[in-house]
Amino acid sequence: GGIITQTPKFLIGQEGQKLTLKCQQNFNHDTMYWYRQDSGKGLRLIYYSITENDLQKGDLSEGYDASREKKSSFSLTVTSAQKNEMAVFLCASSRVHWGETLYFGSGTRLTVL
Amino acid sequence: GQQVQQSPASLVLQEGENAELQCNFSSTATQLQWFYQSPGGSLVSLLSNPSGTKHTGRLTSTTVTKERRSSLHISSSQTTDSGTYLCAIDRNSNNRIFFGDGTQLVVKP
Repeated sequence: GGIITQTPKFLIGQEGQKLTLKCQQNFNHDTMYWYRQDSGKGLRLIYYSITENDLQKGDLSEGYDASREKKSSFSLTVTSAQKNEMAVFLCASSRVHWGETLYFGSGTRLTVL
Repeated sequence: GQQVQQSPASLVLQEGENAELQCNFSSTATQLQWFYQSPGGSLVSLLSNPSGTKHTGRLTSTTVTKERRSSLHISSSQTTDSGTYLCAIDRNSNNRIFFGDGTQLVVKP
């Protein structure tokens, strides 16, 4: 088995601050994803990566940067935190592409003051 | 517009009753998955079912691709089934995945 670890679990920042969320997986999966989930809503794709150093924009990439420097890790940066983006950020991975089973981390809850 | 629509938004059942959850999507889906999100927030994949019928345990999913709909049937519901059920599609096998807003299920003892 494997695990996806997201850090931190809770992130509190000031409006305008640059904030970084981290995700590590030990499945040796090729593809990794970052999603944002607003309260009571489904998930929206921010960025994904199909291999080391690859980055693909999702539907919600504006205001975010991502980095996949190693196969096992995928980080997400909020370039300038805004109050309307308080949400849970979920990292996921799959073996090749998402048609395979998608595994999720437990999330990072972002609060912007 | 919303790519994936789920109904009902919420459902309350007594333990032992069956649940029927619906997922409709606005474009052809090459892949479709059902996920369970626990009240604590963690997400697990339940079934991958782009077409036809699949069973696993008390879960049955039926997807009619040309009608752009899928259902998830939970038989003999248990209190531990409580949580949110999310449907997600991939339109063109390009890893652009669209999630519905989910059905929140509450099973009472």
